[in-house]
Amino acid sequence: GAVVSQHPSRVICKSGTSVKIECRSLDFQATTMFWYRQFPKQSLMLMATSNEGSKATYEQGVEKDKFLINHASLTLSTLTVTSAHPEDSSFYICSVTGLAVGLETQYFGPGTRLLVL
Amino acid sequence: GDSVTQMEGPVTLSEEAFLTINCTYTATGYPSLFWYVQYPGEGLQLLLKATKADDKGSNKGFEATYRKETTSFHLEKGSVQVSDSAVYFCALSFYNQGGKLIFGQGTELSVKP
Repeated sequence: GAVVSQHPSRVICKSGTSVKIECRSLDFQATTMFWYRQFPKQSLMLMATSNEGSKATYEQGVEKDKFLINHASLTLSTLTVTSAHPEDSSFYICSVTGLAVGLETQYFGPGTRLLVL
Repeated sequence: GDSVTQMEGPVTLSEEAFLTINCTYTATGYPSLFWYVQYPGEGLQLLLKATKADDKGSNKGFEATYRKETTSFHLEKGSVQVSDSAVYFCALSFYNQGGKLIFGQGTELSVKP
């Protein structure tokens, strides 16, 4: 399967600051990247879908001005949580897919745990 | 709308016991079906998949068969190990929806020595 990395793995920040999370596809070109949010002991909630070079498509209820997504290349997507608040504390996971792995299969990063104080 | 329903956890088994985690889906059309596993503190790993009816996905001793008639994709393993303790997610996707995954709620498995 594909290798996906996320950076950082954990981040603690103060309320009101912005945090950037990187998602990298290490061994193939990711046509599409997805960003999920997971609360403790719950399933994954899709936040947005991003295609390289295009604006991200956000799911209903997700604030696009708060969760900025950039997919500048076929191997890198970033999620920026702007003006973070304690309720934004969560586990953020990215996944990738592309022609090389079959567009129906997603490969997930290890996740980034965000804690906002 | 399309959805996935899994049996509720947590499921607690002794080592070497037989495992079944039920998964059923509701969908208009014929989706691809997946099982993902999440170990504590980690992201999801693809465990197995099936893309059409009667396909059997298998990996690491786990199996699941795509049953169109019962709209099910139950996960089975003949003999579980302590290292199989994790949360298991059933999911579906449609090719023409850009690979968007719809997940079940997850089933936590705990295997005791």
